[in-house]
Amino acid sequence: AQSVSQHNHHVILSEAASLELGCNYSYGGTVNLFWYVQYPGQHLQLLLKYFSGDPLVKGIKGFEAEFIKSKFSFNLRKPSVQWSDTAEYFCAVKPGGGADGLTFGKGTHLIIQP
Amino acid sequence: DAGVIQSPRHEVTEMGQEVTLRCKPISGHNSLFWYRQTMMRGLELLIYFNNNVPIDDSGMPEDRFSAKMPNASFSTLKIQPSEPRDSAVYFCASSLRGINTEAFFGQGTRLTVV
Repeated sequence: AQSVSQHNHHVILSEAASLELGCNYSYGGTVNLFWYVQYPGQHLQLLLKYFSGDPLVKGIKGFEAEFIKSKFSFNLRKPSVQWSDTAEYFCAVKPGGGADGLTFGKGTHLIIQP
Repeated sequence: DAGVIQSPRHEVTEMGQEVTLRCKPISGHNSLFWYRQTMMRGLELLIYFNNNVPIDDSGMPEDRFSAKMPNASFSTLKIQPSEPRDSAVYFCASSLRGINTEAFFGQGTRLTVV
């Protein structure tokens, strides 16, 4: 079975700082990779996704992620964070061959200080 | 489209009572997933359906939990009898079946068992 590891459980940054959240997964086959964001009291929203092709994917709100197959990683980045980016961020993986459910990491709680 | 609709948004019940959570997936989606979110365990996949058929219920914690999908536009997750440790946020998600698809999440039901 696949698993997802997010390295940082809590991250605190100041506005305009750069962000990188780590995500590693374990699965031997083709995968679909996702980052979801959960704002306080809200549901999960898709930030970005990787299915195939260019390993650098761009999502909403200035976020991007890079898929490095050799490292089984899919790190999330943003060059300059804003206070409104305060949220919980989840990395998720799905085997690429079918319609199985997503396996999520434990999440990273990001706090942006004004 | 209204997105994935869950009801109720909040549920408070006494230990031993039956609880039923409801979900209406996005029209046209043929995969439906139930997740549970807790502080300790994060997001866990409980069960998922393809074309109204349960495919994998290995995440259902015990026999007190059951899920049904009588038609393509409705699913229920039932807990009977409920226990305080069932307190969590329960999310329903839907997607198109197949490779390279993303899941869309509902607003969740916050269940508190006292």
